[in-house]
Amino acid sequence: GAGVSQTPSNKVTEKGKYVELRCDPISGHTALYWYRQSLGQGPEFLIYFQGTGAADDSGLPNDRFFAVRPEGSVSTLKIQRTERGDSAVYLCASSFPSGSSYEQYFGPGTRLTVT
Amino acid sequence: AQTVTQSQPEMSVQEAETVTLSCTYDTSENNYYLFWYKQPPSRQMILVIRQEAYKQQNATENRFSVNFQKAAKSFSLKISDSQLGDTAMYFCALAAGNKLTFGGGTRVLVKP
Repeated sequence: GAGVSQTPSNKVTEKGKYVELRCDPISGHTALYWYRQSLGQGPEFLIYFQGTGAADDSGLPNDRFFAVRPEGSVSTLKIQRTERGDSAVYLCASSFPSGSSYEQYFGPGTRLTVT
Repeated sequence: AQTVTQSQPEMSVQEAETVTLSCTYDTSENNYYLFWYKQPPSRQMILVIRQEAYKQQNATENRFSVNFQKAAKSFSLKISDSQLGDTAMYFCALAAGNKLTFGGGTRVLVKP
């Protein structure tokens, strides 16, 4: 079956602009996760959805970052007033169901560059 | 809070040889899982191997095996009979709850 897909693959934007990053999880996966991977580092947790609700958003760095999953499937990560420090690869993962023991399947990521 | 540390930024190994990657972690949880993920240049994170903390037996997956030392909070990965396709970044990760905490990664280069 299809894996996790993310669009766009690459996004270049100017400082101060608004961006949306999309994640399409594996069909039937109820849990969805967003991570941010800065250059040369490991991924860092941003937010976790169980169904439509954000069960844990403790990793969102500030209120410029927001994510939604209105129908419990596709999720969008939204970044307002982008800054150069937001440049990173944004990874999405999904699992069925949630919990430590369940493998998270990752998408190929969106590379965001803020100029 | 959980932390994961990988102390080797880069390792190189000759094709068909063995390489061992180090990982130490810290958590106050009793029930947790440990993972090794591979990330090739395509950016896709691929699960290599998984270890349940309550299991004493070390996990193995074909050419990949781990040495899990729970008391020392150590979780190393051994790649045997290294192949050119093993060239990638390798990340150690811990799951206690719903999120993964990753280490900083080790770049593995397999030389022909």
